[in-house]
Parts: sequence; C-alpha cells; structure tokens
Amino acid sequence: DVKVTQSSRYLVKRTGEKVFLECVQDMDHENMFWYRQDPGLGLRLIYFSYDVKMKEKGDIPEGYSVSREKKERFSLILESASTNQTSMYLCASSEQGRGNIQYFGAGTRLSVL
Amino acid sequence: AQSVAQPEDQVNVAEGNPLTVKCTYSVSGNPYLFWYVQYPNRGLQFLLKYITGDNLVKGSYGFEAEFNKSQTSFHLKKPSALVSDSALYFCAVRDMSDNTDKLIFGTGTRLQVFP
Repeated sequence: DVKVTQSSRYLVKRTGEKVFLECVQDMDHENMFWYRQDPGLGLRLIYFSYDVKMKEKGDIPEGYSVSREKKERFSLILESASTNQTSMYLCASSEQGRGNIQYFGAGTRLSVL
Repeated sequence: AQSVAQPEDQVNVAEGNPLTVKCTYSVSGNPYLFWYVQYPNRGLQFLLKYITGDNLVKGSYGFEAEFNKSQTSFHLKKPSALVSDSALYFCAVRDMSDNTDKLIFGTGTRLQVFP
C-alpha cells in the first residue's frame, strides 16, 4: 500500500515563528502536493512538485514556501506564521500521468496563536 | 475558468436508503473526474474515477458514480447507505489548463447516515 506520512498530526505555534511541515512518501512518486483544507472552502493547492528541486505555485502560495531535496520528501515552510494560517494541511503524492490517483497523508492540524 | 461544484453542503439519508451526492464540473475538453472520501481526523481516500469508457463507474465500499456529459455531472451514488458511510465527500476534476497533474477539488459534501 502507498504510504504518505506527515510528521505531525497536531501542531501549535506562535505568530511569527518559522514552521516546517514534513511529508514523506514511500512509493517513488514523482508528484507531491501540499493543500490546505478549510471548512466551506474545500482543498486549495498551495504548492506542488513534479520532480526533485522542482516546484510550482498553486492557488494560494502567499506566505508559504516549499523544499524538495529528495524525491520522497516534500516540506512546507511557513516563514513567519500568522493566525490566518491556522488550518488543516494535507500532503499528497501521485505518479506522473493524467488520471493518476493522488494518495493523501493523514493531515497536520496547525494552530497559530 | 475550470471548476467543480458540489451544490449541497450536507446530505442526510436513513440507513438502507439510496444516497446521491451531487457534483457538476466545468472544464475544457474531456474531463478526468474523481471522488474522494474523508473520515474524521483522516486524510482523503480515493473512491473512484472516470477517465473514459463506460459512464457508470464502480468504486470502493459499494459506491458508484455516473458520468453525464450533457449535464456535466458526476454524481456519487450507493444503493443502500450504511451508518459507516457518514463522512465528508469531495469531487475533483483534473486541471486541464496545463500539462501538470493537478486536481481541482470541490468544497465537499458532508454525508450523514442516520440509523
């Protein structure tokens, strides 16, 4: 089975802190994605990566950056956390190719105080 | 602009009754459509997808979905609902605006099955 592991289930940070969310997949997938999930808004794409060191902005990249130094790991970085970044963050991975399934991690619920 | 809509925030159904969760889409070209389910405090799990072929697609846990090109819909169905089907359901469509593998997700529909 495909496994996508997010390092933390729950995280509490303070405004202005630098926050790292880590995601690891074990299926050698080329694509990796970071979404945030908010009630009534569904899933919104923050960033995605289609190869090591490659990244593209999604729909809501402001306030976030990403790093993909190894194929299996995709990190989301909040350079200076703000309260409006309190949310559920979901990581996903997929093989390249149209119609391929995205596999999701369990999510990280981040609270910024 | 490409989009996917789930017009109902919540659907309530009695156990044993058929259920339908609605999804409509707007994309250029032939759509690639997906349904995912999210149980409490979990990530999304893939249910089924339509790429091409038979308009009726069968998926996990007894769910199926019907692709209707003329109505641009891809409604999720199950003949007999279970209490354990209670969850949040997301419809998604492949973003056809570029050559990436991005998906566009709907806002989700909460399904509540009552005993």
